[in-house]
Formats: sequence, C-alpha cells, structure tokens
Amino acid sequence: DIQMTQSPSTLSASVGDRVTITCRASQSVSSWLAWYQQKPGKAPKLLIYKASSLESGVPSRFSGSGSGTEFTLTISSLQPDDFATYYCQQYNSYWTFGQGTKVEIK
Amino acid sequence: EVQLLESGGGLVQPGGSLRLSCAASGFTFSNYAMSWVRQAPGKGLEWVSGIRGSGGSAYYGDSVKGRFTISRDNSKNTLYLQMNSLRAEDTAVYYCAKAGPQSYGDHCFDYWGQGTLVTVSS
Repeated sequence: DIQMTQSPSTLSASVGDRVTITCRASQSVSSWLAWYQQKPGKAPKLLIYKASSLESGVPSRFSGSGSGTEFTLTISSLQPDDFATYYCQQYNSYWTFGQGTKVEIK
Repeated sequence: EVQLLESGGGLVQPGGSLRLSCAASGFTFSNYAMSWVRQAPGKGLEWVSGIRGSGGSAYYGDSVKGRFTISRDNSKNTLYLQMNSLRAEDTAVYYCAKAGPQSYGDHCFDYWGQGTLVTVSS
C-alpha cells in the first residue's frame, strides 16, 4: 500500500503569507496526486489534480508542483477564506490520503 | 449542477448492519466511478470503497474488506454501501464522491456529498 505523509501537521500563518505544504509518497505515484481543502463540518473540495492542474473555479493563488514521491501545495498570498485543513491524495494505486495539514491563524 | 445526497446513517450496535445510499444527479451517473470516503470524528480522510461506472469492478480498503459491499443501480442513479459486522472504529461521517473526468486521471474526486454520520455504539 502507498502511504502519504504530509508536513507540517499544523501551520500558523498570517493573511498575506506565502504558505507551502509538503506531501511525500512511500513510492512513486508519478503525477497522480490531488489536493483538497476542507473546512469544519463541510465536505472536501478539490483544488489541484494531476499534481499541478488547477481545478476550475479555484483561485490562482493555489498552485501544486512535484512528481514521483515529493509534492507541494503553495498558497501565494494567504486569504481569510484559506484557513482550513488541506489533504493530499494519491491515485496511482488505489486511493490514499495524507493525514492533513491544518492552516490556522497566527 | 452535480448533486450527491447521502442517506442511511444512524446509530447501530457493534456487530450490526447498515446500508448507506447516495442519490446522484446533474451528470451521467453510469459514466463515472464512485467511491465512499469516511472521516472519523476529529480525524483525517480514509478511502473506503470504490466502484466503476459499469459496476463491474469494486475495490475495498483493507479495514473494511469482507465486511462492506459497494454497489450501484445506474437505473436509479444511486450508489450504495452495505456495512455488516460494524465496529466502534467504523464510526465516522461517510461521504460519497464522484470520480473526476478521464482527463484528470484514474481518478481523483471532483464532487462530494455532504456526508452521513454512522455511529457504532452500544
């Protein structure tokens, strides 16, 4: 089974900050990597697919990069609506999520 | 507009059974794989089970293999999850999720339902 590990688990940041979240796979997942945003009590929302493709309607301040085993999600300028938990998910072999990264207000 | 509406959650005793349903609308249901993803209280997301659009292939996570059965009725645009031999650790919000377009790869989840809570407790 492919394991996904995100870091950090919690991130404290201010509005306007550049934020980077890392996701590592236990083996190569090529570019089959997605990122989701989840707010309390709500369903996850797809942000990025195929490692770096922005889902329709998602603000351009979100970007993804990486391939193989190491990936990053970057928010170029954190906005109040971005405080949430973020999950990576591999879909190269079945489907596995990372444990999540909570972005909280500093 | 794509809509996914789960139902069937509730309180069940350990060892009991429950069947979840997910009514889909706004897309050609039979063209897309579907999955169930769960989230235990205060925890992260866990993929539970998936099924191809035709219903011909089904997949399960190790924690539910042999206890849960996924199925779909394409004539009713509905996805199901039959859960047997339920355990306390199955307590979670269960989401149904739609596979993204083929161009996204095989597959991430582009639409999610609002979730239904399953509580396993005596």
